[in-house]
Formats: sequence, structure tokens, C-alpha cells
Amino acid sequence: EAQVTQNPRYLITVTGKKLTVTCSQNMNHEYMSWYRQDPGLGLRQIYYSMNVEVTDKGDVPEGYKVSRKEKRNFPLILESPSPNQTSLYFCASSLLTGADEQYFGPGTRLTVT
Amino acid sequence: SQQGEEDPQALSIQEGENATMNCSYKTSINNLQWYRQNSGRGLVHLILIRSNEREKHSGRLRVTLDTSKKSSSLLITASRAADTASYFCATEETSGSRLTFGEGTQLTVNP
Repeated sequence: EAQVTQNPRYLITVTGKKLTVTCSQNMNHEYMSWYRQDPGLGLRQIYYSMNVEVTDKGDVPEGYKVSRKEKRNFPLILESPSPNQTSLYFCASSLLTGADEQYFGPGTRLTVT
Repeated sequence: SQQGEEDPQALSIQEGENATMNCSYKTSINNLQWYRQNSGRGLVHLILIRSNEREKHSGRLRVTLDTSKKSSSLLITASRAADTASYFCATEETSGSRLTFGEGTQLTVNP
């Protein structure tokens, strides 16, 4: 089944404790991205990747890191999480570009206390 | 930056009625897409309409695009309780190759 998977689905952590949210897709898509969704602010792009070893900042990259060592994986790293990073996070992939139909993962609900 | 803005923010209708949601945007686009999100879950692509198209259908969905007014509408006919979800428009600006999402319309279909 074609899908985007994310782990963990739920995470409660404390300020400053490094964490990684994994994302994997099995559709051989070139483009992958991370979004955060907050009430009243909609969906905002954090980082995206056009291809292996190619990543770029989205609209709200501060406090986040990503890597794209393999085509299928695109982990999101929070080196020192803060409470304002409490949010619902989505990974997405698409065939070639960010303008193509996006396939979204199920989401990761992160709470930073 | 927010490109698409959906209207209304929330819509409540009875099963069997039609639901219409609108999306307005600010700059020229290559395409506009509509997505659906069930509560707390990932978005699911519904339909894509290109800037040179005026109308597109998919099952009970009908999307229109008016580039002169910079607006699009999503019509769901004969709604069902299972259509209850948030609906988002997303635009690809001509200057870029990524999507910008609106804040969504929350649709509630009462059985």
C-alpha cells in the first residue's frame, strides 16, 4: 500500500530534550516536506527536500533541522524543543515537486512542557 | 504567507443538502488543489484544477476556478455525515513550485 508513515504518532517531552520524528514514504517520490498545523494559523511548511541531499527552508524553519540521506526517509529533528513547538506535525511527499498532489502522513502530535 | 483563504470558516448542514466552500487567493497561480482532513488526521487530496480550466468534477465533487476573480469553489452534492471534515484549498503560485494552504473550512453534516 502506497503510504507515508510517521513515528511517533504522539509525543510528550520536556523543554530542551532533543527529539526526532521519523518520516518514510514507499512511493519513490522525489519531493518531501514537513508542515506544522496550529489553530488559526493553518498549515505552514517547515522544511522541504527536492531530492536526496537537497533540503531547503520553508516558512517556519527556526528550531528545526532535517536530513535527506535516502530517498524514502526525511526525519525532522528538534535539537532543543521549546513549548512554542507544541503542535501537530505532518510529513508529506509528492512525485516531483511541491506543486504536485501531496500525500500526507497521519500526523505527530507533539507536546513540549 | 497565507495565499488561499477559505470561506466560510465553518459550515453546518443537514445530510442530503449541498455544501459550497469558497477559496480566494492573492497572486497568479498555476494550479489550485482541494484537500480534506478528518479530525486530527493527515490531509487527503481531493482534486486539482489548473489555471486554464474552469470546472472539474469528481464523483459528488465539483470545483470551479475563476482566475479573473482569483477564487475557487468546492461543491459537495448530496452530502453525507461521513463528509464531515475540514476542507483546505492549496495554491501553486506561478512564481514558485510549492503549495500554500489556506486555514480551511470546517464542514459538519448532521444526520
